[in-house]
Amino acid sequence: AQKITQTQPGMFVQEKEAVTLDCTYDTSDPSYGLFWYKQPSSGEMIFLIYQGSYDQQNATEGRYSLNFQKARKSANLVISASQLGDSAMYFCAMRITGNQFYFGTGTSLTVIP
Amino acid sequence: EAQVTQNPRYLITVTGKKLTVTCSQNMNHEYMSWYRQDPGLGLRQIYYSMNVEVTDKGDVPEGYKVSRKEKRNFPLILESPSPNQTSLYFCASSLSGAGNTGELFFGEGSRLTVL
Repeated sequence: AQKITQTQPGMFVQEKEAVTLDCTYDTSDPSYGLFWYKQPSSGEMIFLIYQGSYDQQNATEGRYSLNFQKARKSANLVISASQLGDSAMYFCAMRITGNQFYFGTGTSLTVIP
Repeated sequence: EAQVTQNPRYLITVTGKKLTVTCSQNMNHEYMSWYRQDPGLGLRQIYYSMNVEVTDKGDVPEGYKVSRKEKRNFPLILESPSPNQTSLYFCASSLSGAGNTGELFFGEGSRLTVL
């Protein structure tokens, strides 16, 4: 069965510090994609970063990087230099062959001034 | 402006009264899908469509129907809504095929309450 697990319901980080949001996945599909989305309190879903299962290097997008450890089936999101505007819900998601998507239960991040 | 548009954004209805939530995208995306978001459960896929006239069940399709008669539209139909379908619903679209990441572009969400 396909599954995404986010074990941190809530996280706090000091402004300007880095934070890691955990995500593990489970699939037997050799080809898959991993995504992180941000959902601010306003409710919209914002795409942050993507990692393909065959990508050799970890994905980076500005202050976001994805720590992809394929053997451990983990795809943690690292946010560097946290800002107050980073306070939001963060969802890890997986797309498998056939384009079915699975989302984790989310991590609520609060950035403290 | 590239966007996914859902309507209505908010709806309160009663058990058994059929309703349709519309979804339209202007990005010529082949792939469209519906999700429901519930506290503590994250987003769960209801239905998805790879292209016109092609639809597939996601993880939680019971109580929902969809159709894909045109590439840009993917309505979600609740034939006989029940209170357990009270939720926040998202429509999303993406490019598919080789060379694309397949990232989802989401609509703003539709908050549905069934009394």
